[in-house]
Amino acid sequence: QQQVKQSPQSLIVQKGGISIINCAYENTAFDYFPWYQQFPGKGPALLIAIRPDVSEKKEGRFTISFNKSAKQFSLHIMDSQPGDSATYFCAASMNSGNTPLVFGKGTRLSVIA
Amino acid sequence: SAVISQKPSRDICQRGTSLTIQCQVDSQVTMMFWYRQQPGQSLTLIATANQGSEATYESGFVIDKFPISRPNLTFSTLTVSNMSPEDSSIYLCSVRRGTGSGNTIYFGEGSWLTVV
Repeated sequence: QQQVKQSPQSLIVQKGGISIINCAYENTAFDYFPWYQQFPGKGPALLIAIRPDVSEKKEGRFTISFNKSAKQFSLHIMDSQPGDSATYFCAASMNSGNTPLVFGKGTRLSVIA
Repeated sequence: SAVISQKPSRDICQRGTSLTIQCQVDSQVTMMFWYRQQPGQSLTLIATANQGSEATYESGFVIDKFPISRPNLTFSTLTVSNMSPEDSSIYLCSVRRGTGSGNTIYFGEGSWLTVV
């Protein structure tokens, strides 16, 4: 049973455009939703995270939108740049205790000039 | 943020051998998590390592194949035993830092194993 479903699997965006990656979760006990960015040859790096007490969080060009009733959250990358080309993973966990993350399958983003 | 160091960063291993991966964190943490990322795939949790107790393994992973040690609050090892080409993956150490709503999960750079 896949607890976090991520789409699309791959995405090609023009430079300057908006990249949108979507995730849906099943476990209503999840209350921590991070996004990780992974470049080839590197480990995943925390990009931005949101908790369900807010519907949106913005850090620079990166925004998470969160819809608790729909059990969905998405990553928006504004003014996408070639340097944003990477694989993006959404994840979820329960904030309390020491619970691990459950990951989506990842989205390979290519930003072309 | 957390500083997580993994060794080795890369290795090419012979089929049938075992390799131990080390994970060192810059401060004490209660739990350490070990993940596997097969080529082109997402991250899959192998086990959770709590200091002073046996690691808890996820379905599909067993202690005989992936023994874990957690001798103190800043260090853990994962051994990949009797390796086969199917074990070629990135192995990642992860920790949760902070408390309450401020806690965050960080990853090391990973240990890239190729089994030949």
